[in-house]
Amino acid sequence: DGGITQSPKYLFRKEGQNVTLSCEQNLNHDAMYWYRQDPGQGLRLIYYSQIVNDFQKGDIAEGYSVSREKKESFPLTVTSAQKNPTAFYLCASSPTGVNSPLHFGNGTRLTVT
Amino acid sequence: GESVGLHLPTLSVQEGDNSIINCAYSNSASDYFIWYKQESGKGPQFIIDIRSNMDKRQGQRVTVLLNKTVKHLSLQIAATQPGDSAVYFCAEQVDYKLSFGAGTTVTVRA
Repeated sequence: DGGITQSPKYLFRKEGQNVTLSCEQNLNHDAMYWYRQDPGQGLRLIYYSQIVNDFQKGDIAEGYSVSREKKESFPLTVTSAQKNPTAFYLCASSPTGVNSPLHFGNGTRLTVT
Repeated sequence: GESVGLHLPTLSVQEGDNSIINCAYSNSASDYFIWYKQESGKGPQFIIDIRSNMDKRQGQRVTVLLNKTVKHLSLQIAATQPGDSAVYFCAEQVDYKLSFGAGTTVTVRA
């Protein structure tokens, strides 16, 4: 089945540690996105990538980093500089990124204590 | 059915009635709009989309209306079912950026 795979579903880390969230898609989509969702709130854009080896900051990029070395993969690293990292992280992809809907994975819930 | 004039965070609707979920968007340059449904612990699912050169689009049991004059978007769900209980988000796009609203939690009463 084609889709977006985020792993793991639940992730626990100690404060001060960097952690990398995985996102893989087999939809052959050019554009990929990372969003953060806090309880009872909407989605906020962290980073997005229109094409391999290129990415742009979204609205809340501070404390996060990404890479896009392969079309299928867009990993997100939550660094120790992120002040409030506990959240639900959603990865998405889109065929072109413009005028086409985003397809979402089922998210990774990160808890940092 | 129930209707709300302004965006409200929650909507309770009787099974079988029609639902109307409203959304005000912020950017007059937005040219593409999407409605998503999110169930607990899952990623958002695409429901329906509309481009700025249209004012209405229909899908299966759903209709999206776009009023660019007042920057307002609505989602109508016909004959609401228990499986429609979820959080609904509107999203607006400018270039590659898709921005989401705060969401409306829909609860269907049996």
